Amino acid sequence: AQSVTQLGSHVSVSEGALVLLRCNYSSSVPPYLFWYVQYPNQGLQLLLKYTSAATLVKGINGFEAEFKKSETSFHLTKPSAHMSDAAEYFCAVWRGSGDKLTFGTGTRLAVRP
Amino acid sequence: EAGVAQSPRYKIIEKRQSVAFWCNPISGHATLYWYQQILGQGPKLLIQFQNNGVVDDSQLPKDRFSAERLKGVDSTLKIQPAKLEDSAVYLCASSLSGTAGNTIYFGEGSWLTVV
Repeated sequence: AQSVTQLGSHVSVSEGALVLLRCNYSSSVPPYLFWYVQYPNQGLQLLLKYTSAATLVKGINGFEAEFKKSETSFHLTKPSAHMSDAAEYFCAVWRGSGDKLTFGTGTRLAVRP
Repeated sequence: EAGVAQSPRYKIIEKRQSVAFWCNPISGHATLYWYQQILGQGPKLLIQFQNNGVVDDSQLPKDRFSAERLKGVDSTLKIQPAKLEDSAVYLCASSLSGTAGNTIYFGEGSWLTVV
């Protein structure tokens, strides 16, 4: 079974609209969860990470994500999309010692003017 | 603070040729990673070093890929001979340690096209 699943390979929103990118994970132990962003022709940049300190995690550029254990989800949101948010977003899970960081297949976000 | 440096940024080679990528991690980071990212997919770990020792190379195609991290700082990833399916972005990354949950910082990647 996939350790992390991103629903929707492509998401398109209008500028100013809510951004919601979905991520579900599977883990038998408390996981560490990450969201990375990749702009065209660039490497990955950390947006935010969950390390069990707080279920609502705030990141850079106005993004935030909420860890919901009951739903095994870690969805990424932003209240108002900006043109500069157009990029590919990757959710990743690290299921404790002995495991490694495993990435989802990514969601490409397009922002319409 | 300087980030993870990689070179070359772009490389086009013919199949069966060889190529090498270089990486310089963030200063003080003991753990260095090489990931392969094929178009349309998430990055996949090829090899992880802790200082100059290999921690995990279970997904490295050892018949054609090799990597080393001499002196526990810089690293080189080599592919010989290259196949068409090796066309991908090779991302180098580093972290303070390999402890679960540590933030992993990525370089801008080396884009390989095999023709």
